[in-house]
Amino acid sequence: QVQLQESGPGLVKPSGTLSLTCAVSGGSISSSNWWSWIRQPPGKGLEWIGEIYHSGSTNYNPSLKSRVTISVDKSKNQFSLKLSSVTAADTAVYYCAREYGSRGMDVWGKGTTVTVSS
Amino acid sequence: QSALTQPASVSGSPGQSITISCTGTSSDVGGYNYVSWYQQHPGKAPKLMIYEVSNRPSGVSNRFSGSKSGNTASLTISGLQAEDEADYYCSSYTSSSINWVFGGGTKLTVL
Repeated sequence: QVQLQESGPGLVKPSGTLSLTCAVSGGSISSSNWWSWIRQPPGKGLEWIGEIYHSGSTNYNPSLKSRVTISVDKSKNQFSLKLSSVTAADTAVYYCAREYGSRGMDVWGKGTTVTVSS
Repeated sequence: QSALTQPASVSGSPGQSITISCTGTSSDVGGYNYVSWYQQHPGKAPKLMIYEVSNRPSGVSNRFSGSKSGNTASLTISGLQAEDEADYYCSSYTSSSINWVFGGGTKLTVL
């Protein structure tokens, strides 16, 4: 079955850029699914960041849109997140997930913790 | 402030039933049958428990059920078990520019 694995630096300096990758295994990123990034600050709820289709089409949360870029690499079967100008408020566990149409997110990665600190 | 409103906590004894509410607007919960529920144990990723208001993915216990009335969706867990103790999040597709919105989460305690 499809599995997702996030990877990237666990520590990012303030004003820097957070960069994460989600590797897709057991299936193709070119399937008829959108692929999402979601984050969860410590002790808080879930926040949808954005999504991408294998064609490269994207949708972003308006509250983050000016700082977010999500891209796809079909040759590596993975998609990526870049979040610029980070502050301590961007400290969170970042999850990648597969959207199964209107069903929501049916497959999730284990999550990766990113701390913004100098 | 989350887009969807859930109670912060609910509790119940083993064997009892509990219901968690999720209130939105006509632009999300009330406008689409695209409500999903997620279970999250501490330190773990969320797990899809209910999709499209009332459907269970394969492998999810039939003790979990979902419904919707107007702008409010509900998750009911019957025959509470200790393993059900977790945080629960609702989510809905929305016609606003955000696409997907989540509730603030409800902590379920099994007494």
